[in-house]
Amino acid sequence: DAGITQSPRHKVTETGTPVTLRCHQTENHRYMYWYRQDPGHGLRLIHYSYGVKDTDKGEVSDGYSVSRSKTEDFLLTLESATSSQTSVYFCAISAGLIQETQYFGPGTRLLVL
Amino acid sequence: ELKVEQNPLFLSMQEGKNYTIYCNYSTTSDRLYWYRQDPGKSLESLFVLLSNGAVKQEGRLMASLDTKARLSTLHITAAVHDLSATYFCAVGEPPSNTGNQFYFGTGTSLTVIP
Repeated sequence: DAGITQSPRHKVTETGTPVTLRCHQTENHRYMYWYRQDPGHGLRLIHYSYGVKDTDKGEVSDGYSVSRSKTEDFLLTLESATSSQTSVYFCAISAGLIQETQYFGPGTRLLVL
Repeated sequence: ELKVEQNPLFLSMQEGKNYTIYCNYSTTSDRLYWYRQDPGKSLESLFVLLSNGAVKQEGRLMASLDTKARLSTLHITAAVHDLSATYFCAVGEPPSNTGNQFYFGTGTSLTVIP
């Protein structure tokens, strides 16, 4: 599992509230990713990080922000949650000599009411 | 934006039969991935294909990559019930010092019927 944990694993929140999801890795990987998974869409990249304080947007970044203040933690924040952000969120790291393989965390199920 | 299409989206097959899942992508890439996902679980890496003509096999699954045709296939031989899952292909951008994105297909939901 490449030492990836996500917290919380499940969360129910109300529209308009801020939400922060945490991804923690124990193996000092440089590259980390946040995806969301929705039926009919597969996985879509939200944001990714290529080092401490180095982040970039993915294809569905609107409404999300990220931070990475230390190598092991990558935080995803929904500033003001909306029902369209109800989803399963996966964190991933890439590893290997040429960053060729992605390993995924266990996921966080988020329900926005 | 790189697009990845898988087909079929749903596949119901009998035990013992063979079948192929197809993954087409829209722009040049030589980094193709196959993942398996069981219901309610995370994604498990199956294969990483990094060059044209690459072929990898694990048990009853074999994956191949044709970068010129922008096509990867996942072939299932003599299916068994344990192979029931959703299979995703993904294409990766070339690695760079500022990271690289991965693009996923919508998945193929495979059900193997006894």
